[in-house]
Amino acid sequence: AQTVTQSQPEMSVQEAETVTLSCTYDTSENNYYLFWYKQPPSRQMILVIRQEAYKQQNATENRFSVNFQKAAKSFSLKISDSQLGDTAMYFCAFMKPWILSGNTPLVFGKGTRLSVIA
Amino acid sequence: DAGVTQSPTHLIKTRGQQVTLRCSPISGHKSVSWYQQVLGQGPQFIFQYYEKEERGRGNFPDRFSARQFPNYSSELNVNALLLGDSALYLCASSLAAGGENTGELFFGEGSRLTVL
Repeated sequence: AQTVTQSQPEMSVQEAETVTLSCTYDTSENNYYLFWYKQPPSRQMILVIRQEAYKQQNATENRFSVNFQKAAKSFSLKISDSQLGDTAMYFCAFMKPWILSGNTPLVFGKGTRLSVIA
Repeated sequence: DAGVTQSPTHLIKTRGQQVTLRCSPISGHKSVSWYQQVLGQGPQFIFQYYEKEERGRGNFPDRFSARQFPNYSSELNVNALLLGDSALYLCASSLAAGGENTGELFFGEGSRLTVL
């Protein structure tokens, strides 16, 4: 079974600074997807960024980028120029492709609560 | 375009009662998944339905059941409620069909269930 570990329960960062959230995972699969989701107090889980394991290039989405280390099974999220609206719970998640499993359950970590301070 | 919608947003039940939660996926999405998020934890997978058939089930007791309707909406039922069932129940939809699968789930805002 796959597991996802987020070792930082809480983090804080000054507005406009850069912060990195850590995530490690365990799997025997070679092909899979990794995600970072953001959950603000409104509760809705919002996709921040996704990475396909077969792609060596790290994904980027505006101020958000990842450092994907497949051999180390590490998938960290870097937020640049932090904004007050980035305050939220951040969850790292793993998914096997549908073609391999016939279903698409996400396996989530326990989350990191990020506070952006003015 | 409307996103994933869930109802009710909040509800309170007592132990032993039964509850039904509802979910409407994004138009065109044929797969619906349900997740349970206990306070302070990440969501845990309960069920996935695709084309009205159960495609996956997480490690939850038989008190939990679900179904998907011809219009792809879905219901999650929980019988004989326990205090430990108190949680945020999230519904997610996706295209999820072979090569069409992008691996992305779109979540609703959830139904907050409190069991007293």
